Amino acid sequence: DIQMTQSPSSLSASVGDRVTITCRASQGISNYLAWYQQKPGKVPELLIYGASTLQTGVPSRFSGSGSGTDFTLTISSLQPEDVATYYCQKYNSAPWTFGQGTKVEI
Amino acid sequence: QVQLVESGGGVVQPGRSLRLSCAASGFIFSTYTMHWVRQAPGKGLEWVAVISYDGSSKYNADSAKGRFTISRDNSKNTLYLQIHSLRAEDTAVYYCARETYSSRAFDYWGQGALVTVSS
Repeated sequence: DIQMTQSPSSLSASVGDRVTITCRASQGISNYLAWYQQKPGKVPELLIYGASTLQTGVPSRFSGSGSGTDFTLTISSLQPEDVATYYCQKYNSAPWTFGQGTKVEI
Repeated sequence: QVQLVESGGGVVQPGRSLRLSCAASGFIFSTYTMHWVRQAPGKGLEWVAVISYDGSSKYNADSAKGRFTISRDNSKNTLYLQIHSLRAEDTAVYYCARETYSSRAFDYWGQGALVTVSS
């Protein structure tokens, strides 16, 4: 099975900072990559699919890029409401594996 | 609006069985592939199982093979997850999630059902 590895596991940044999270697949997955945001105590929410397509309603400060094995999630200007754990997920084929998560703090 | 509401969680003794339900509303349930995802306390998301829109195709994660059964009743707009021989490591919040048409990501999630396996 393809493994998904995120880095870093956690980060602390200031309001307004640019934040980048990396996700690496152990084999190529084309652009079948999604990013989810899970705020403390809340349900995960889809942010990005197809590696770079923003889900409806997601603020434009979020962006995704990459293809094949290396992907990034970028928050262009970190806001207090972005405190959350972010997960990547592959969905090109079963199993729909998640990365281990990246906790973002202010 | 789309709603997914899980039920059936609780405290269960090791070795017992449990069936989780996920009641869907606000969309045509019978046309969507559905998934179960779990999250152990303080841990990350773990994909568990998938079932096709008509129930004809199912697939479990390796960690869920043998003891977990995913099923659905489209006449009742309900998704199920049966778990047998529960173990302490099955303690988690179990989420049902809808797979999108446009991709295979999960666009709607239920609020989750907590399963605690303890004697």
